[in-house]
Amino acid sequence: QQPVQSPQAVILREGEDAVINCSSSKALYSVHWYRQKHGEAPVFLMILLKGGEQMRHEKISASFNEKKQQSSLYLTASQLSYSGTYFCGTEWVRANAGGTSYGKLTFGQGTILTVHP
Amino acid sequence: DGGITQSPKYLFRKEGQNVTLSCEQNLNHDAMYWYRQDPGQGLRLIYYSQIVNDFQKGDIAEGYSVSREKKESFPLTVTSAQKNPTAFYLCASSIRLEQFFGPGTRLTVL
Repeated sequence: QQPVQSPQAVILREGEDAVINCSSSKALYSVHWYRQKHGEAPVFLMILLKGGEQMRHEKISASFNEKKQQSSLYLTASQLSYSGTYFCGTEWVRANAGGTSYGKLTFGQGTILTVHP
Repeated sequence: DGGITQSPKYLFRKEGQNVTLSCEQNLNHDAMYWYRQDPGQGLRLIYYSQIVNDFQKGDIAEGYSVSREKKESFPLTVTSAQKNPTAFYLCASSIRLEQFFGPGTRLTVL
């Protein structure tokens, strides 16, 4: 089942903050965050693992609440380059085949972030 | 330069034709994936492969087929059985945690 992202869209002025949430109905092993510019491939931002620490990428940080089965992405002092669609990908089962771990991700519908000057 | 390449970038096909999308990686990653993205939507998993000569159906495999004869290659065939194939197709690979995406192929059925 697809994780639910909220809000669906956010409009900011440069320097403002935003929070994007990703909620799952199933227990999570990990949450992956990606940003996609229009017409381009998604770019990896960070991963949060069950039992792991809050992660940070420049002025973007994220948390993982295992109890609530939810992850939040925090964008601080937003820049124009932050504009794009943010996706969370959730991993429910960590499977192994021949000693190699891989993640089967289910993505949310995306949150469109627009930053204006 | 390591990375994932997909070709072609744009592809047009007539209804009823099969078409194969290429995905190659030189990252030495074991796992590879195919996703479909429709306008305003998230990514949906079509097929994935953990190792050579093995692959699994994703959430929307009907009308698609794949092969994994080499570690670096994971081509996707969109068959005529796929009812609504017009979409943006993304290939990805991973070795541990994060997935790295190729630039995508935009398929349009005329």
